[in-house]
Amino acid sequence: EAQLVESGGGLVKPGESLRLSCAASGFPFSTYTMNWVRQAPGKGLEWISSITSRSDLIYYTDSLRGRFTVSRDNAKNSLFLQLNSLRVEDTAVYYCARETADERFDLWGQGTLVTVSS
Amino acid sequence: QSVLTQPPSASATPGQRVIISCSGSSSNIGSKYVTWYQQSPGTAPKVLIYKNDQRPSGVPDRFSGSKSGTSASLAISGLRSEDEADYYCTSWDISLSGRLFGGGTKLTVL
Repeated sequence: EAQLVESGGGLVKPGESLRLSCAASGFPFSTYTMNWVRQAPGKGLEWISSITSRSDLIYYTDSLRGRFTVSRDNAKNSLFLQLNSLRVEDTAVYYCARETADERFDLWGQGTLVTVSS
Repeated sequence: QSVLTQPPSASATPGQRVIISCSGSSSNIGSKYVTWYQQSPGTAPKVLIYKNDQRPSGVPDRFSGSKSGTSASLAISGLRSEDEADYYCTSWDISLSGRLFGGGTKLTVL
């Protein structure tokens, strides 16, 4: 069964960093574009970033470019999101999602909660 | 503020039909696919409609999508209590080189 499992979330102070991971299994991870999406408490979905199968194209939402960095390791079936200079407003559940060729995010992880608070 | 505009809420009684709109521009909906997601509390989003009007296998035909110009719509007919959820539209924006989500519509089944 295809599955995505995020990890690495937790409670951090403003200005600190975190590295989120997304472990993929049950499908050919190296052939898919992957995405990160977040959802602040009680708020809507916010797309963060996408990375193509071979990491040749990487996109970010404008407001987070420079602080967040996406990467992947196809040999380890893993996706990563480095979060730097965290702010209170970065508090959210962070999801990784698999993207199909017709642009749907057909597989999502359960999410990992990042809480930024002093 | 989302560049894709959805009504924040919608409501209807069981059995009725409800339509949720998603308004964008020529750089997103007007030129790229629209996907719709359903999200119930505490769960990850689920694809309802992709490529503007296509339903994944397993999604009831009560759900339908359409697109015209720079707007898209999700219609839910024969409303059921389990349809109570948040609904999001999304499209790629070619000017931003990024994906946009609508602000979401909370559907209440009265």
